[in-house]
Formats: sequence, structure tokens, C-alpha cells
Amino acid sequence: DQQVKQNSPSLSVQEGRISILNCDYTNSMFDYFLWYKKYPAEGPTFLISISSIKDKNEDGRFTVFLNKSAKHLSLHIVPSQPGDSAVYFCAASAGGGADGLTFGKGTHLIIQP
Amino acid sequence: EPEVTQTPSHQVTQMGQEVILRCVPISNHLYFYWYRQILGQKVEFLVSFYNNEISEKSEIFDDQFSVERPDGSNFTLKIRSTKLEDSAMYFCASNRQGDTGELFFGEGSRLTVL
Repeated sequence: DQQVKQNSPSLSVQEGRISILNCDYTNSMFDYFLWYKKYPAEGPTFLISISSIKDKNEDGRFTVFLNKSAKHLSLHIVPSQPGDSAVYFCAASAGGGADGLTFGKGTHLIIQP
Repeated sequence: EPEVTQTPSHQVTQMGQEVILRCVPISNHLYFYWYRQILGQKVEFLVSFYNNEISEKSEIFDDQFSVERPDGSNFTLKIRSTKLEDSAMYFCASNRQGDTGELFFGEGSRLTVL
């Protein structure tokens, strides 16, 4: 049962353009959402998070949007840079805690020069 | 910058053998976690640990698994009798507060069970 779904296994974007990574969830108890970035042979690195009381959170080039009614969140990266090429994981938790984060399968973002 | 360190980076073992994966969390962190990622699949939660006891565990974390914080710095995951399906990348993570999901992950220990 995939409670967190990232339906695009890969995404290719030109350098300088906007990258939009999508994530859907099914568990209405989730109230805290995170994006992690992972390079090969490294552990996931936290990028940005959003609580369910907000619909947008911005940090530099990264913005996360949350649409609770659609159970959908997205990560926007503007402008995309070559170093952004990585696998991006969406994760969610219930109760605001870090216990039992549920991850999506990831989207491999490729930034083309 | 403080980081979570894991050893070994890669371990190959025979089915049925015991394996211990080691982690040194960030020193002022209080909450510790193990996750795993089977090749080509998603990152899965195994167990969380706080105040010297397990606070939550997933269905994957059965009686073959155990965790321990034997001293003030190490956090270990033991698999008592490995199975082929235990082959995966195991990630240790920690955070300071536990009430946010901003986990700091180690680089992972790749376990290969033959």
C-alpha cells in the first residue's frame, strides 16, 4: 500500500528552467511533509518541509506547495542548476513527529546543460 | 559540519549469519532511527529509538532485528540471522528534537546477503 506516491520515476529539465516534482498521498492523518535529496552513494539530505497548517513554504530556490484537499504536494526548484541532479524523495509523517516517516519511491531529476 | 557516520560502508555475509551495523549519530541528538532501502525500492522505516528504548517500529522490524545504544556515542542495528531479502542499504538517522522530521542521515551501510 503506497501511502506516498511519486508517479514520475525520472524528470529531465534544462538548466535555468523550473523543476517541478510532484507527490501524492493517501493517508489523511499525515500532517507534516518533507523533501529529501539523495546523491548516489550518500544518505538522503533534508531539503525543505511543510506543516499541514500551511500551503506554501519557501527556502531560497526551493518552494514546497501543499494542497490538502487534493492530497498533493509539489517541490519547485527555480532556477534549476546542474548540482540539483539527484533523486528527490517525498516523505510524510502523522502527528508531526519523525517517527515512522513514510517515503515515496523517489524521482530522479536530471538537469541538462 | 556535524554528520552521522556509519560503518561498515559495505558488508557481504552468508545467509544465516549475524550482522551488526554501526552508527555514530550527531553528538547532541537524542532521537535515532534506522531506515533501509532495497535496491530499486523506496526508503522504509525500521525503528526509532529514544531514551534508551524503542519508541516505534515497523512491521519489517521483527524478532530478527534489534537495536542498542551500548555507550554514549554508538547506535547499532543487529540482524540475528540474515536472510537473502535483508540485502539492502541501511541508513541510520538522528535528530535533536524528535518533533520534526528533519532527520540527518548517514551515508548508509550496504548489506549483501549471499
